[in-house]
Amino acid sequence: GAVVSQHPSRVICKSGTSVKIECRSLDFQATTMFWYRQFPKQSLMLMATSNEGSKATYEQGVEKDKFLINHASLTLSTLTVTSAHPEDSSFYICSASLGSGGTYLTDTQYFGPGTRLTVL
Amino acid sequence: AQSVTQLGSHVSVSEGALVLLRCNYSSSVPPYLFWYVQYPNQGLQLLLKYTTGATLVKGINGFEAEFKKSETSFHLTKPSAHMSDAAEYFCAGKNTGNQFYFGTGTSLTVIP
Repeated sequence: GAVVSQHPSRVICKSGTSVKIECRSLDFQATTMFWYRQFPKQSLMLMATSNEGSKATYEQGVEKDKFLINHASLTLSTLTVTSAHPEDSSFYICSASLGSGGTYLTDTQYFGPGTRLTVL
Repeated sequence: AQSVTQLGSHVSVSEGALVLLRCNYSSSVPPYLFWYVQYPNQGLQLLLKYTTGATLVKGINGFEAEFKKSETSFHLTKPSAHMSDAAEYFCAGKNTGNQFYFGTGTSLTVIP
């Protein structure tokens, strides 16, 4: 159980275009989803926390107008990279949490397989 | 600020040898601690986690970790390394705000 999928797994786009990445919890409802960015040989950097039905909370330094996050349902969150540039090329990973903030004691985050974005 | 520190960005062991990956946490209140493994171009897979209770936690693939409050450590071990264990390993903590914070990762190489 607790499977998280991402689509697409890889995407190549031209500079200036927008790219949408989907994150789905396949067999559970996720009130909270997280978006991370990972540069080669580096750790994951939390970009934003996405809560179903409300605005995402962005980490300091992350441009909310550039990285649009929508969490329209309990099983789907999307990250849209608007007007992508080569420096946005990265590995984007989402994760989903089984419980709400009130059950943080035993919550585990389940990670998607990641999306490799290459901006030419 | 709460954080986890992984000592050693690269660890090499011979096949069949003990694997020891180090993680220390920094917090006035012990966080909830996790070890994840990442294979190339893949997401993270949970190996094990510590929340409360028994301080020796057993995970998948023969890995285990021991929470030592006195040392603020949560080191990952496996008695006998296998070639398939070669991957990137991340120690992570979670705070009361349900946010994860990751260590910088340790790349494990297994030498045949």
